[in-house]
Order: sequence, then structure tokens, then C-alpha cells
Amino acid sequence: DTAVSQTPKYLVTQMGNDKSIKCEQNLGHDTMYWYKQDSKKFLKIMFSYNNKELIINETVPNRFSPKSPDKAHLNLHINSLELGDSAVYFCASSTQDSGTQYFGPGTRLLVL
Amino acid sequence: AQSVTQLGSHVSVSEGALVLLRCNYSSSVPPYLFWYVQYPNQGLQLLLKYTSAATLVKGINGFEAEFKKSETSFHLTKPSAHMSDAAEYFCAVTEGGNTPLVFGKGTRLSVIA
Repeated sequence: DTAVSQTPKYLVTQMGNDKSIKCEQNLGHDTMYWYKQDSKKFLKIMFSYNNKELIINETVPNRFSPKSPDKAHLNLHINSLELGDSAVYFCASSTQDSGTQYFGPGTRLLVL
Repeated sequence: AQSVTQLGSHVSVSEGALVLLRCNYSSSVPPYLFWYVQYPNQGLQLLLKYTSAATLVKGINGFEAEFKKSETSFHLTKPSAHMSDAAEYFCAVTEGGNTPLVFGKGTRLSVIA
């Protein structure tokens, strides 16, 4: 059983397109996150949700819109994709008590 | 604000040799510290974590790390490197709870036969 899963694993698309990435966790955690890993492998927080409520929104272009339909799911929609959006996007989840975050396998986005 | 510095973007060791990956942190509150490993084209796997209990933390695959408050360090060690340890290693800090992780820039570990 995969604890944190993401779909798709790979995404290749053209500039200007709109795409979505989905994340699901079956750990019963109440907090979920999106991180971006750039080409130099640097990881940075984008968003976090606690019990479906947005609690952190870093300086991310408003072309990125997260949505959490329930505690187990956190999706990321990206409008008008740009070359600079090419990266690996990781979903993670945790409980408020432990702070330990568990990561999904990542979605490798390539914008051409 | 919290930050993490990983000294050495690339560390190369011989198989069987000691692995030492350095991590220094900055935090205005007692930190929660983590080491994650990323194998090529894969996600992040938790190696170990420090959450204010024992200062010497043992993790998976024979790794351990020691929290030293006076040095603001959390270095990762393994007595004997295996070829399978070759990967990218990330040190991260958080305030705990549901605060996000702040990552170091990562250290790529190469193991030479």
C-alpha cells in the first residue's frame, strides 16, 4: 500500500497549457504539502493545507492553485505553464503532533 | 527564520569507509531535524529524525546522526559505506507541528568500489 501517491509520475506538455497533479495519502494525516524541487535539486515549500484549509502559501505565482477536496487529497493545478515551471513536484503529509513528513514519489514536469 | 547548511555538495567515499555528511542549522526555537535520502528519479525517504528526545538518533540502513546544540549541528554518519548508499541526502529543519520543512541544498554521496 502506497502511503502518499501522486499522479501522474511524468508530465510533458507545451508552454501555455493548463495541467493538474493529484496527490492522495492513506496515512490518516491532517496536513498536506506541495514542494518544488528545481533543476539543482533544491526543495522549497509551495503550499500547505491543514484539514482542507490553506495555511501556508509561499511566494508562488497565482498560476498555481492548490485544492484540497478532503483531508486525504491535495491537488495542484497550474495555468498557462511556462518553461520555468519545469521541475519535480512533491506532495507530502504529516500529523500535527509528530511533524514528520512523508513524501510521495514526485511528479516530473517538463514544459517544452 | 530557520535555515540549513549542508557542507559539501558532493562527497565521495570508498566502499567500506566511513560516511560523514555535515549539516548545520539555524533556528530560533527548539528544532526538529531530519535527514532524507533521494535515490535517482525517486521520492524522498526518511532516514531519521530528531525531535528533542535522545541526541544520538539511529535511522534506517545503518545511518545515525547526533544532535549537538552547542555546535548547531546534526551530522549524518555511517560506519561502512555500501554501493547502495549512493544517493542525494537532504538535511531539513522544522519547528514541528504542521510547519513546513526547510531543506539544505543536498549532498550527493558517491561510493567508489
